[in-house]
Amino acid sequence: NAGVTQTPKFQVLKTGQSMTLQCAQDMNHNSMYWYRQDPGMGLRLIYYSASEGTTDKGEVPNGYNVSRLNKREFSLRLESAAPSQTSVYFCASSRQGSYEQYFGPGTRLTVT
Amino acid sequence: DQQVKQNSPSLSVQEGRISILNCDYTNSMFDYFLWYKKYPAEGPTFLISISSIKDKNEDGRFTVFLNKSAKHLSLHIVPSQPGDSAVYFCAASRGPGTYKYIFGTGTRLKVLA
Repeated sequence: NAGVTQTPKFQVLKTGQSMTLQCAQDMNHNSMYWYRQDPGMGLRLIYYSASEGTTDKGEVPNGYNVSRLNKREFSLRLESAAPSQTSVYFCASSRQGSYEQYFGPGTRLTVT
Repeated sequence: DQQVKQNSPSLSVQEGRISILNCDYTNSMFDYFLWYKKYPAEGPTFLISISSIKDKNEDGRFTVFLNKSAKHLSLHIVPSQPGDSAVYFCAASRGPGTYKYIFGTGTRLKVLA
């Protein structure tokens, strides 16, 4: 039981490049989330998916797109990376009706 | 506008003593509060939570207190251990149907041996 896994762990992009961050969970959770963590800002919700087939915007969705591929997988795409998107990205999941979220280990992204 | 605030970026406590981490919020619609613990290079892990209908919840060495009138919650760790050294985040939710959690900026706790 791996919990929540994220790939890659580290990534360096040039401004304007695109990439997809992958997230998968094996806990049969309905809800999945993408956060970013910046110094002095805490964790901010980018997008979430309450259940398979649905996605919705969080606090800071601009510059990102998401896909809930199936119940297990929730990907985050940067179409044209900007230096302001340099951050640590965390994926999380939770059971339906539960407040507790389980987080992945994070992806550290640098955009130069 | 930061709806959930942790005004102390860091805290140092001697091993065996009590650690008190504080969190203030502005939105009276929040009805559930959580504390997460984060070690370097790892994702946050859930620690303890409290519903707005309660004023205290206890789990082993960890107790969370909620003062709704002051819009304030605190996490008490007694006794503090070196392994408790981590960043602690408080988070607030308006209910399980909203799925939107607002996190504070975190407090780095260092427990000195």
